[in-house]
Amino acid sequence: AQKITQTQPGMFVQEKEAVTLDCTYDTSDQSYGLFWYKQPSSGEMIFLIYQGSYDEQNATEGRYSLNFQKARKSANLVISASQLGDSAMYFCAMRGTYNFNKFYFGSGTKLNVKP
Amino acid sequence: DTGVSQDPRHKITKRGQNVTFRCDPISEHNRLYWYRQTLGQGPEFLTYFQNEAQLEKSRLLSDRFSAERPKGSFSTLEIQRTEQGDSAMYLCASSLTGTAGTDEQYFGPGTRLTVT
Repeated sequence: AQKITQTQPGMFVQEKEAVTLDCTYDTSDQSYGLFWYKQPSSGEMIFLIYQGSYDEQNATEGRYSLNFQKARKSANLVISASQLGDSAMYFCAMRGTYNFNKFYFGSGTKLNVKP
Repeated sequence: DTGVSQDPRHKITKRGQNVTFRCDPISEHNRLYWYRQTLGQGPEFLTYFQNEAQLEKSRLLSDRFSAERPKGSFSTLEIQRTEQGDSAMYLCASSLTGTAGTDEQYFGPGTRLTVT
């Protein structure tokens, strides 16, 4: 079974500082994908970044980077130079090998960026 | 590209009534997914279509729930005899088979259902 754990229900960060959102996962699949989504108060899930289990480099997308530690089964999201518009819910998600199309989501972290 | 759209955005209904939601995926996407999200939780998978075929259903999808994608384009999710526990955000997502790398899912804005 696949499981995603996000242990930080809420986080605060000062504008322009970096913040790390934690995500750990559990799977017996050898091949899997890890995703981060942002959900503003409007409700729409916005794709941020992807990491494949066989990717040797940590994924980066603009101000977002994924700190992937396979042995520890963690896939933390790092947001650099936080902006007020980054305030939202952030979800970590995983898809496995055998059930390629089903995404498993964590419970999310509410990020608040302070001016 | 208009993205994934869902209609209605909000629905308030009385317990016992039937409701139907619609999802229009990104036009070239052949896969379509339904998720349910309750307050303070991440989305939970309900069902998935590849073209018009419904290939998987979650145990969360009781007999009161039915989903269709008749021509492999838009999809509908119907809930019969609604219960208060059905109150949630219903999210639709689509993806394209064979997209290099991620097979990422693009989500719509959701339909928020309130059962009174």
